Amino acid sequence: DFVVTQSPDSLAVSLGERATINCKSSLSLLYNSNNKNYLAWYQQKPGQPPKLLIHWASVRASGVPDRFSGSGSGTDFTLTISSLQAEDVAVYYCQQYYSTAYTFGQGTKLEIK
Amino acid sequence: QVQLQQSGPGLVKPSQTLSLTCAISGDSVSGKSAAWNWFRQSPSRGLEWLGRTYYSSRWFTDYAVSVKGRITINPDTSRNQFSLEVNSVTPADTAVYYCARWGWELQTFDYWGQGTQVIVSS
Repeated sequence: DFVVTQSPDSLAVSLGERATINCKSSLSLLYNSNNKNYLAWYQQKPGQPPKLLIHWASVRASGVPDRFSGSGSGTDFTLTISSLQAEDVAVYYCQQYYSTAYTFGQGTKLEIK
Repeated sequence: QVQLQQSGPGLVKPSQTLSLTCAISGDSVSGKSAAWNWFRQSPSRGLEWLGRTYYSSRWFTDYAVSVKGRITINPDTSRNQFSLEVNSVTPADTAVYYCARWGWELQTFDYWGQGTQVIVSS
């Protein structure tokens, strides 16, 4: 099974500052035949379903502000919010889709300091 | 624009069957562009993928190992929807249940239902 682990579990960042969330997979998510990493990032606000932010580890979904960026390859990935806005308060999840037994990280709760 | 509308009871008694439906608008349950999934979310299990159904020359259904044998996902082409049944529920099945579309082209969960809080209690 692909186990995906996020760090930290919670994070408090000042408005306008950078927020960084890490995600580590137990197995490589890089598919060699197409050189793509099968990892996505989601944002979830209270009472709402998850919203796709990033796929293929670094491709922003349509309509996602460019302050959100994804990086990494293989087993280690990062979601960065370059300048935190009040509306970014949420729980963030990484998710692997290398295996169709899709798995999510445990979530990182992002708050304003 | 694809929309998914969930329906079903919010309270189920232990040992009974949990049944939820996800109605699709803006796409087809038997179309080639997507697979149709169910998830649940609870403090103890986090976000958990339960299974999916999709049509590609014939119907395919896949289930998570953790729930295989207890759940059934069925498409309903006449109503353009799909359903989830979980048998012999226990309090551990208490969760918010979501349906979601997996788009084959971008390989993402791009559209989600609104979520249904299901409590298993007598």
